Amino acid sequence: TQLLEQSPQFLSIQEGENLTVYCNSSSVFSSLQWYRQEPGEGPVLLVTVVTGGEVKKLKRLTFQFGDARKDSSLHITAAQPGDTGLYLCAGLPTDSWGKLQFGAGTQVVVTP
Amino acid sequence: NAGVMQNPRHLVRRRGQEARLRCSPMKGHSHVYWYRQLPEEGLKFMVYLQKENIIDESGMPKERFSAEFPKEGPSILRIQQVVRGDSAAYFCASSTQAQGQGAMQPQHFGDGTRLSIL
Repeated sequence: TQLLEQSPQFLSIQEGENLTVYCNSSSVFSSLQWYRQEPGEGPVLLVTVVTGGEVKKLKRLTFQFGDARKDSSLHITAAQPGDTGLYLCAGLPTDSWGKLQFGAGTQVVVTP
Repeated sequence: NAGVMQNPRHLVRRRGQEARLRCSPMKGHSHVYWYRQLPEEGLKFMVYLQKENIIDESGMPKERFSAEFPKEGPSILRIQQVVRGDSAAYFCASSTQAQGQGAMQPQHFGDGTRLSIL
């Protein structure tokens, strides 16, 4: 079983600060997706990264896929209260056809 | 949420009853995935289906659980003789094609069905 470990589990910061969420595994993934989930709703896709070393930016969010495709990070610059939510990483193992493996999530709280 | 429709949103059953959860994928999507989310835990894969075929059911409990995706109509996750431990949020996702080597179509999720067992 390939496990995806997210850290930290919980992050509380003030508006305007920066934050980074990590997603690590000992196994290689063919792709990795980041989702954000609000209470009572399903995960909403933020980004998919596929190539080792790939960096994608989505406004104030920067996503990076590790060179070996085993880990990823999400960095938020100048966080806003609207960034509050549960951030989930999900990896697609190299031998899988659709069986996403999710991390346990990082709960981010941004206070005004 | 992203066009995947799940119903009901909330379902209450007594122990021993049957629960049927429905999922209509996004338009144009023929691949459906079911996941279960327990409190304080991440989403766990249950089953992957294409129209009329089960592709991967390695995450499904061996007993009481079944899934189908008929040629016409929504995908159905069926839980027979429910027990308290079945209480969870069940999410469905869909994609346009199989994910895997060289295929990058992401999975889009519905808002889930929250199942409560009395």
